[in-house]
Parts: sequence; C-alpha cells; structure tokens
Amino acid sequence: NAGVTQTPKFQVLKTGQSMTLQCAQDMNHEYMSWYRQDPGMGLRLIHYSVGAGITDQGEVPNGYNVSRSTTEDFPLRLLSAAPSQTSVYFCASSTTPRRGAPLHFGNGTRLTVT
Amino acid sequence: GDSVTQMEGPVTLSEEAFLTINCTYTATGYPSLFWYVQYPGEGLQLLLKATKADDKGSNKGFEATYRKETTSFHLEKGSVQVSDSAVYFCALSDFTGNQFYFGTGTSLTVIP
Repeated sequence: NAGVTQTPKFQVLKTGQSMTLQCAQDMNHEYMSWYRQDPGMGLRLIHYSVGAGITDQGEVPNGYNVSRSTTEDFPLRLLSAAPSQTSVYFCASSTTPRRGAPLHFGNGTRLTVT
Repeated sequence: GDSVTQMEGPVTLSEEAFLTINCTYTATGYPSLFWYVQYPGEGLQLLLKATKADDKGSNKGFEATYRKETTSFHLEKGSVQVSDSAVYFCALSDFTGNQFYFGTGTSLTVIP
C-alpha cells in the first residue's frame, strides 16, 4: 500500500517559471489537501478538496491553483513561481471530512525558486 | 480564527527523562486535537489524537489529554528514548473537519 505519493522530491525553478507538483493517493480518501512548511511557521494549508470536482482555499492560497478531476489525484500548480514560494510542500489525505479523521502525509517536495 | 500555539524548541533531554511539550489552542466550536511526529526527510505521521473534551490520546508511551477548560493538549512521555528524537507538531481540525491548523513544531533530541 503506497499511501500518499508526491513527485518530484526536489525541484529548482527560476522566477516566473511554472510547474505542477503531483500528488496521488491509493486509499480511496475523499479529502485531499496541500500544505507548505516553512521554518518557524509550522504547516499552513494552501488548498483542499472534499471530493472529485470540489476544491476550496485554505490559509495561504495566493499564487497556487488546484483541481480534482479524480479521487486519486490532486495536483498543485504554480503559474508564475516567486522566491517567496521556496518551501517544502506536503500533500495529505483523509477519509470523509468528519471530525477526528487524521491526515496521511506524503514525504514532501522541496522547492527552491531562484 | 482558529490557531495552535506550541512550546518553542529545541528541547534536549537525556534518555529516560520525562518529556512535556506544551500546546494550547484557540478554536470556534469543538475541534479535534492531534499530535504528529516528523522524522528527518519524511512527512508527518499521526502520533495520537483526541476528539472531545477529557479524551486522552495515547500511543507508543506518549499521552495527551484534551482539556477544554484550559484549551490545552500537552504531550507527555514518562521515559524518552533516543529513537524519539524528531519534530513534534500539535494540530487541530476545525468543527467541519476540513481545515487543519498546526503549531510551529518542537524539535526534540534525546541523548544517550
């Protein structure tokens, strides 16, 4: 059981470039989400989805787009990368969005924007 | 809005010492509370959780009790091991279950 798989593990971009961070889960989880982890700031929610075709913004959505065409996949798009988006990005999934359901995390993508 | 405040680190303890990592929260309604652990180069893993007031979550010798009156969820372990060295995050999910809020993390190093 692979769980939550994120690709790539590492990425370097130049300012203004675009890219997509991939996230896939094989646990049939309805809920998926993206976080960024920055030193001294913990994890902050970027976007989340409660099912295929449904997405919503989290705490820090600016500069990021998401879509959810299947239950398994939840890609995160950076349309025009900025140095402020240098961070470690985590995808996480959960069973139906109810109280107490924990998150299952991928191993992260470390992104550097120069 | 909802938030989590967590004890600053880093924390260094000798093996078999007692561990406490403080966590307090602010939330609307009745959140669920979690402790996650992160080992180097990996994602976060659930350590324990509590979904209502006075619940005690426990796992691998770690415990935390959901205290509504003090809005706290402090993590404790009676005797830490070198293998417990990691970063620990306190978190809450809001009353919908859709948004999670994390503390800043506490780095723990246990020395033999």
